[in-house]
Amino acid sequence: QSVLTQPPSVSETPGQRVTISCSGANSNIGSSTVSWYQHLPGAAPKLIIFSTNERPSGVPDRFSGSKSGTSASLTISGLQSEDEADYYCSTWDDSLNGLVFGAGTKLTVL
Amino acid sequence: QVLLQESGPGLVKPSETLSLTCSVSGGSISVTYWSWIRQTPGKGLEWIGHIYYDGTTTYHPSLKTRVFISLDKAKNEVSLKLQSVGAADTATYFCARLILRQQSHRPTSAWFAPWGQGTLVTVSS
Repeated sequence: QSVLTQPPSVSETPGQRVTISCSGANSNIGSSTVSWYQHLPGAAPKLIIFSTNERPSGVPDRFSGSKSGTSASLTISGLQSEDEADYYCSTWDDSLNGLVFGAGTKLTVL
Repeated sequence: QVLLQESGPGLVKPSETLSLTCSVSGGSISVTYWSWIRQTPGKGLEWIGHIYYDGTTTYHPSLKTRVFISLDKAKNEVSLKLQSVGAADTATYFCARLILRQQSHRPTSAWFAPWGQGTLVTVSS
């Protein structure tokens, strides 16, 4: 059972916008920034958001992140078929004294 | 561009020690943190632990009695050893560079980039 809670799956049609939530607690999301990863089976997970709302070089601005209190969100606008993947949130947890992940959300582009 | 590649046995017997190596190219391991993460079949990601370039380690509390992460600066490699493995340790193991920002010695921001492609380790007799 993951420390951070994500919906198991979301789906949307191409061109639309989808938001993936990540719920935590004061000891993790409430006191640290959040990162997001895109993972295709058999490939290396890829960082798409760090420090809650920053994008690494090369990540399209269709990807954005935000946080409010103990919850964070990843929003993907102008969905493309290539966005179909598993998405994970992560942050530091003071109670664990380590890093935690969500269980992942499978995004299906219909 | 920093690239990471995990290697090691794909099959380990129960009660034995799992040993993996992460070869880092395109950059030195003598900077920042390096981490191991695993993904169990059908489940999500689990942070195992990380090591700073000075050798300081931090481990997941549930694994800290069995895990050891080390650096080989001559070979630019990061190693993972997990003792007394069982079926629950069957997973894909990833290595990743960890960027960790702190304020007053408390981590406030952390992210993993880049990652290796991962290596599947099955624990079975």
